[in-house]
This record gives sequence, C-alpha cells and structure tokens, in this order.
Amino acid sequence: DAKTTQPTSMDCAEGRAANLPCNHSTISGNEYVYWYRQIHSQGPQYIIHGLKNNETNEMASLIITEDRKSSTLILPHATLRDTAVYYCIVSFNAGKSTFGDGTTLTVKP
Amino acid sequence: GAGVSQSPSNKVTEKGKDVELRCDPISGHTALYWYRQSLGQGLEFLIYFQGNSAPDKSGLPSDRFSAERTGGSVSTLTIQRTQQEDSAVYLCAVTRRLGHEQFFGPGTRLTVL
Repeated sequence: DAKTTQPTSMDCAEGRAANLPCNHSTISGNEYVYWYRQIHSQGPQYIIHGLKNNETNEMASLIITEDRKSSTLILPHATLRDTAVYYCIVSFNAGKSTFGDGTTLTVKP
Repeated sequence: GAGVSQSPSNKVTEKGKDVELRCDPISGHTALYWYRQSLGQGLEFLIYFQGNSAPDKSGLPSDRFSAERTGGSVSTLTIQRTQQEDSAVYLCAVTRRLGHEQFFGPGTRLTVL
C-alpha cells in the first residue's frame, strides 16, 4: 500500500469548515483513498472513500487532485464532537492496511 | 459499531501467560481483520480472513500470535507467552460483500505486567 503523510495536528473553530490534507504521492492506479476517524477510546469510524472522483456523503466531502497524489477531507461545519484523530489510508483493499499516526483535529468553541 | 463485539473489554495478564481475545462479528460479513494499536499510535494490521481462503497472516509480529475464525464468523486471536510489548488495544473489524467500509469493534485493552 502507498504511504501517506498527514499533519500531526490541526485546530478548527466550531461551525467552520475543517480541511484535512493528505499526501499520497506514490499511489497506484487502482488504490483507493480511505478516511477514518477515531474518537478517544473508541474503534475507528469510516468516513468516506474515493478512487478518482470527488465524493460527498452525509459526514464529509473528499477532494482528490487530478494526479491523485493528494487529497483533502472536508468537514463542512465542524462541531466539538468532530474532535478526533483522522486517518488517511491508501489501499487496494478495504482493510489490511496499517493506519499511520493520523491528524489530531481539535475543534474549539 | 454495526454489531461487532469484542471480549473481554479489558484483560490484565502476567508476562509469559497465554491470552485469547474474541471477536463476534455481525452476520453477513465477508472479511474479518485484526489490528493492534499501541498507546498513542496508529493501527497496525495483524491478520485477515476472507471467505474460505487461507488467512493472510503477513502482519503477525511473531509466531506467538495466531488467529482462527470458526464457522466463518467468530474469531479468536491468541497470544502465547505474552510479553510486555504486547500491551495494546486489539481491534477487530469486518467488511460486508462489495463494501469498502470497515466496521470496527470497541477493542480489547490488553495489559501485560
């Protein structure tokens, strides 16, 4: 699986959009980009995934660059409950991936 | 989440003892994964079961670790002769047919004294 690089931490004001970047410059053509988040002391929660096109669901939007070397997860209106560690994973397979250290997002009132 | 349960929720054991960790997944899943998460770190893939195929054990850190899945459902992760560095949260996850989403259990926190 391709390696990903994410900032260690980010802050966001409550009610504003949170934009979490991820670099995956070695991604191969049929690898998907997955995003998960983990709230303290819980199992990870799936957020969204994509291959080439931008994707949106009820939780977030995923913007993938045309060359697929990077992506951005967007939480449109962050709330305090969105405070969590966000993991970006690139994989051929829905699982069987090692999650890196992720980005710790802190949403502040 | 989504009906994946794990037991026990917490396990404290002495160095050198064997432990068994259990994962009870929702029915209808197609693949089952075990991960390990050390304190303050990301998830480390351990082993993967898919249908009737032989499991992918490429992530197991040593031969003290093994896992089985009985009847295509319940899975047990066994750690023999536990070491202090085995202390971590062990997470089980499943996927459904044609699905990309992994559903994680709450994990078992293992502490080896």
